[in-house]
Amino acid sequence: AQSVTQLGSHVSVSEGALVLLRCNYSSSVPPYLFWYVQYPNQGLQLLLKYTTGATLVKGINGFEAEFKKSETSFHLTKPSAHMSDAAEYFCAVVEYGNKLVFGAGTILRVKS
Amino acid sequence: DAGVIQSPRHEVTEMGQEVTLRCKPISGHDYLFWYRQTMMRGLELLIYFNNNVPIDDSGMPEDRFSAKMPNASFSTLKIQPSEPRDSAVYFCASSLWGSYEQYFGPGTRLTVT
Repeated sequence: AQSVTQLGSHVSVSEGALVLLRCNYSSSVPPYLFWYVQYPNQGLQLLLKYTTGATLVKGINGFEAEFKKSETSFHLTKPSAHMSDAAEYFCAVVEYGNKLVFGAGTILRVKS
Repeated sequence: DAGVIQSPRHEVTEMGQEVTLRCKPISGHDYLFWYRQTMMRGLELLIYFNNNVPIDDSGMPEDRFSAKMPNASFSTLKIQPSEPRDSAVYFCASSLWGSYEQYFGPGTRLTVT
């Protein structure tokens, strides 16, 4: 069965600093990987996805993620954090059919 | 597109009462998922449907929970009788076969007193 591990349940960065949210996955097949963001009192919103092709994937709001097969990782980055980036972020991998396995989530706090 | 629609957005009920949550998926999507989110347990998949047929209900906590999808544009999640530990945010999501990405609704915040 596929699984996702997100290192760090809480990450705090200063405004303007680099954002790095870590995700490692376990998959018995070539993985399809996703990052979702959840703002307070809202549903999850797709940030970006990796299916095939280019391993560096760009998403909305300046975020990007790089698929590294050798490291079984799909870390999310943003060069410069903004206050509006404060939210919870979830990494997910396709299990079978259209079912996704989600990580436990990382809450990002942005300090002014 | 209106996105995934859930109703009600908030529900407050007393223990023992029946609760029905509703979901309208994105038109044309053939998968529908019900999730529950709590601080303690995070995001949990309860059940999902493909072409209106339940595929995996192993996440449904107990017999008090039931879900139906009578047609491609409507699904319900019912809790009977409700208990305080059912208090959570319930999300519905839909997706299209082969694209894998799920689109989430705004959620229903359920409080059972």
